[in-house]
Amino acid sequence: EAGVAQSPRYKIIEKRQSVAFWCNPISGHATLYWYQQILGQGPKLLIQFQNNGVVDDSQLPKDRFSAERLKGVDSTLKIQPAKLEDSAVYLCASSLAPGLAGAYEQYFGPGTRLTVT
Amino acid sequence: DQQVKQNSPSLSVQEGRISILNCDYTNSMFDYFLWYKKYPAEGPTFLISISSIKDKNEDGRFTVFLNKSAKHLSLHIVPSQPGDSAVYFCAKGGADGLTFGKGTHLIIQP
Repeated sequence: EAGVAQSPRYKIIEKRQSVAFWCNPISGHATLYWYQQILGQGPKLLIQFQNNGVVDDSQLPKDRFSAERLKGVDSTLKIQPAKLEDSAVYLCASSLAPGLAGAYEQYFGPGTRLTVT
Repeated sequence: DQQVKQNSPSLSVQEGRISILNCDYTNSMFDYFLWYKKYPAEGPTFLISISSIKDKNEDGRFTVFLNKSAKHLSLHIVPSQPGDSAVYFCAKGGADGLTFGKGTHLIIQP
């Protein structure tokens, strides 16, 4: 079974530029998450989708971050404009729909390491 | 407010011995705890979980203990192997998703 796919793996941009990350979850997983992991910290949830609807985006800096999951499968996360403090690893994860056995287990992709200079 | 705390940034254990990773939490509202393992340049990998109604869960070399009165849980790895060297994250799960601790870097020495 294929895991969560993410691209690109690495990205270096200058501040005030824009960047987009792509995620393809595990087939059949209704719930998709984007996390930000700053060096030395644990992953922090940015946004959670169930199918193509947003469940929780309370920690997403909406003035510069946006995310979509238009067809309920792939998702993109965009930052525009980027700031130095956005340098981090951006992780995508997916899980089964709530209520199903094992729905609490989230499966992570390899992440995208973003460096903002 | 850090709801999940891993107070040891690193832990060094000799191969073959027991590794004990600790996690404390401040909010009693949760459904389950999970432990994730992370190698460099890879995403976290699910290891083992425990629901709020249990006090122990075991899977092979890995056992998680939950002490609700102390708001503390621990992950025991026995015997420790070189491949166990990684960063281990404790995460609290509920209706609002997962909240992670800062992680503990486990180093298994030969």
